[in-house]
Amino acid sequence: DAGVIQSPRHEVTEMGQEVTLRCKPISGHNSLFWYRQTMMRGLELLIYFNNNVPIDDSGMPEDRFSAKMPNASFSTLKIQPSEPRDSAVYFCASSDPTSGGGETQYFGPGTRLLVL
Amino acid sequence: GENVEQHPSTLSVQEGDSAVIKCTYSDSASNYFPWYKQELGKRPQLIIDIRSNVGEKKDQRIAVTLNKTAKHFSLHITETQPEDSAVYFCAATLDSSASKIIFGSGTRLSIRP
Repeated sequence: DAGVIQSPRHEVTEMGQEVTLRCKPISGHNSLFWYRQTMMRGLELLIYFNNNVPIDDSGMPEDRFSAKMPNASFSTLKIQPSEPRDSAVYFCASSDPTSGGGETQYFGPGTRLLVL
Repeated sequence: GENVEQHPSTLSVQEGDSAVIKCTYSDSASNYFPWYKQELGKRPQLIIDIRSNVGEKKDQRIAVTLNKTAKHFSLHITETQPEDSAVYFCAATLDSSASKIIFGSGTRLSIRP
């Protein structure tokens, strides 16, 4: 398996622009997590899905952030409009809670976002 | 909800010495405690985990201990090597399907040659 796939790996945009981050979980994994990592705030859970349904979005900073999971193999995290304080590394992770040791989350390589 | 505190935030040890990172959690119902290692510029990766029915677990040079009564758990790395330099995150969660993991704030471990 290729592991969790994220795109783009790097994104540079200007304040006010829309940013869309993409994630493909490991095949067969039915839980998907979006995290944001910064030096100041560490690793923050933004939202997670089970079987494509959002379960907990309490970590989403504000209405500018939205996430979707239209099917089991694809999820997006959108920021509109983007602001400089959104600059961070965004990780997607997936897990298969139905399997033994299913709590293990497998992280993607991350998207490094810079908003100018 | 669960809260995980991790100490120290930075740790520097001489190569060959041991390193210990400590975490506490707040929710007594938590029963699964993974540790993730994140090398510079890389993704977090699971290195070891422990469940609440076990007090200690070892894997080569790393070990984790759990004190359920005190709600403490620790990561021990012996005979440290340069490749152990990384940020380490402890975490806690409920051992149930699709539970979110609550991460600690991370410990930046540096190994001095």
